Amino acid sequence: GIQVEQSPPDLILQEGANSTLRCNFSDSVNNLQWFHQNPWGQLINLFYIPSGTKQNGRLSATTVATERYSLLYISSSQTTDSGVYFCAVASGGSYIPTFGRGTSLIVHP
Amino acid sequence: DSGVTQTPKHLITATGQRVTLRCSPRSGDLSVYWYQQSLDQGLQFLIQYYNGEERAKGNILERFSAQQFPDLHSELNLSSLELGDSALYFCASSPPTRRGNEQFFGPGTRLTVL
Repeated sequence: GIQVEQSPPDLILQEGANSTLRCNFSDSVNNLQWFHQNPWGQLINLFYIPSGTKQNGRLSATTVATERYSLLYISSSQTTDSGVYFCAVASGGSYIPTFGRGTSLIVHP
Repeated sequence: DSGVTQTPKHLITATGQRVTLRCSPRSGDLSVYWYQQSLDQGLQFLIQYYNGEERAKGNILERFSAQQFPDLHSELNLSSLELGDSALYFCASSPPTRRGNEQFFGPGTRLTVL
């Protein structure tokens, strides 16, 4: 099956800093989502982005499908951004996503 | 709020017991997916139902089973529970579209097996 690698595995920031999270995948994809899992365990949809660029407030994402990677940008980070960010991709005829191991983000005040 | 509901939020039970987790998808969504999240295995896909029929199967144990009812809610049954079954169980739903498959997750059920 498709392999998904996320980097970095851990990230510690000061409030106000910017960051870039990366998701590499091993095959062409028909589906790519970014999620934020908050400290209470809830999985929150950030972007559905199999290709192209999207922005939502302080967050934006870009997927370059031909080069098999996606980036999640967080600007002016806040303590509420803390949690784990997951990339999930699906490929071929399957729409069942494979999740990466996530990037654990801690934002200090 | 994603619109997907799951009950119960927490469940504590003993080894050997059987439990049922319930999920209601977003209005209009026909697909329901079940996932298990444990510390060592990450987020693992278990099973998918589409409009009442099993559509795809992942790493689901034989002790586990699921079904989707005519009103589209789904139940995941876990039996002969073991300590290793302790995990967060998520349900997700997605709309009936040909172009992709954005999934929306419920709040999860945290299962603790003692």
